[in-house]
Amino acid sequence: EPEVTQTPSHQVTQMGQEVILRCVPISNHLYFYWYRQILGQKVEFLVSFYNNEISEKSEIFDDQFSVERPDGSNFTLKIRSTKLEDSAMYFCASRGSGNTIYFGEGSWLTVV
Amino acid sequence: RKEVEQDPGPFNVPEGATVAFNCTYSNSASQSFFWYRQDCRKEPKLLMSVYSSGNEDGRFTAQLNRASQYISLLIRDSKLSDSATYLCVVPNGGGYNKLIFGAGTRLAVHP
Repeated sequence: EPEVTQTPSHQVTQMGQEVILRCVPISNHLYFYWYRQILGQKVEFLVSFYNNEISEKSEIFDDQFSVERPDGSNFTLKIRSTKLEDSAMYFCASRGSGNTIYFGEGSWLTVV
Repeated sequence: RKEVEQDPGPFNVPEGATVAFNCTYSNSASQSFFWYRQDCRKEPKLLMSVYSSGNEDGRFTAQLNRASQYISLLIRDSKLSDSATYLCVVPNGGGYNKLIFGAGTRLAVHP
């Protein structure tokens, strides 16, 4: 079964450092997403991406965050200057022409 | 009313029990709804989609009441492997760009 893959599975970084989380969406999918889940809290939408541009973003997705699809397969989330409160599980997701959104296994980010 | 609201549980039930989870949502424009399952520190996985009044898949039945803006999930003959958190998920408006997740209802099935 095709799946969304994410790297790294876990990253520890110092406050103020830049982090890039990588994702390979399912190959024929057109819509890409990042969600995050702070430990013990609900899953929250960050951003959606279609046709090489952001289609929607939440208030969490401020100027410290950016997304990019640098080639035909990767989809990345960059956090420019990490804060302690950025510690969370970050889920990449993708969708094809149907309604179902498939999530990757997530990248745990710990900011110290 | 919160965008998506669920009873947090936990529901502790014996194997073989029937258990029901409730979910209410605030956006009356939403047309479709989802139940996802999330195991501890894992990604959400789609359990069921609900587009009309309801959907059934084996031991799982989802029902939708648009007038009351209420969705339910019924699990019959609970198995140990059903232990997880069940997430009620509602697209924001008519599209699927942004999913609004409930906080989840935790289920623990014991022998």
